[in-house]
Amino acid sequence: GAVVSQHPSRVICKSGTSVKIECRSLDFQATTMFWYRQFPKQSLMLMATSNEGSKATYEQGVEKDKFLINHASLTLSTLTVTSAHPEDSSFYICSAIDRNTGELFFGEGSRLTVL
Amino acid sequence: AQTVTQSQPEMSVQEAETVTLSCTYDTSESDYYLFWYKQPPSRQMILVIRQEAYKQQNATENRFSVNFQKAAKSFSLKISDSQLGDAAMYFCAYRRGDMRFGAGTRLTVKP
Repeated sequence: GAVVSQHPSRVICKSGTSVKIECRSLDFQATTMFWYRQFPKQSLMLMATSNEGSKATYEQGVEKDKFLINHASLTLSTLTVTSAHPEDSSFYICSAIDRNTGELFFGEGSRLTVL
Repeated sequence: AQTVTQSQPEMSVQEAETVTLSCTYDTSESDYYLFWYKQPPSRQMILVIRQEAYKQQNATENRFSVNFQKAAKSFSLKISDSQLGDAAMYFCAYRRGDMRFGAGTRLTVKP
């Protein structure tokens, strides 16, 4: 089946630094990708919709200057957490829509820990 | 805005028995998709079953089946012959464009 790969799977950083997480569709092209955040024992909350070649659309309450999203190609979207703080520690999951079939696939997730 | 409600934070079932997880949603749309995902401790989202809103027939996948009541906006998941490996968080999801999730139900399977 279709594969969506996230990298890194785990990252630890110091408070105030920036961290980039990549989401790649390995065997299909994705014009649209989604970024979710999941705190412990909670559900997945949609942060933003990433559209290839255009600006991301952010959900209400998500700071676009803090969570920078770039979707520069049909197979790659990146989420950069800028000036990370301990409260940004979470599990970040991306999903991608196959432009041919319309099916949606999830990445394996990335666990961010900010010290 | 679409909302998905799972009213059972936790459920427990005896191995080999049947359990039903509840889900309701709110939408003004007529064309959409509904899903049940399983999330084990690895946190990988695993698709369990999907239902197209335009289809009246309830979806089934082996031991998993749904009871889709469009007018009532209800989408419950039935797991038959429960197995220890079924233990996980289960999320109900609505999709029309993006995908929105319910709060989840933690399923425990007792041997």
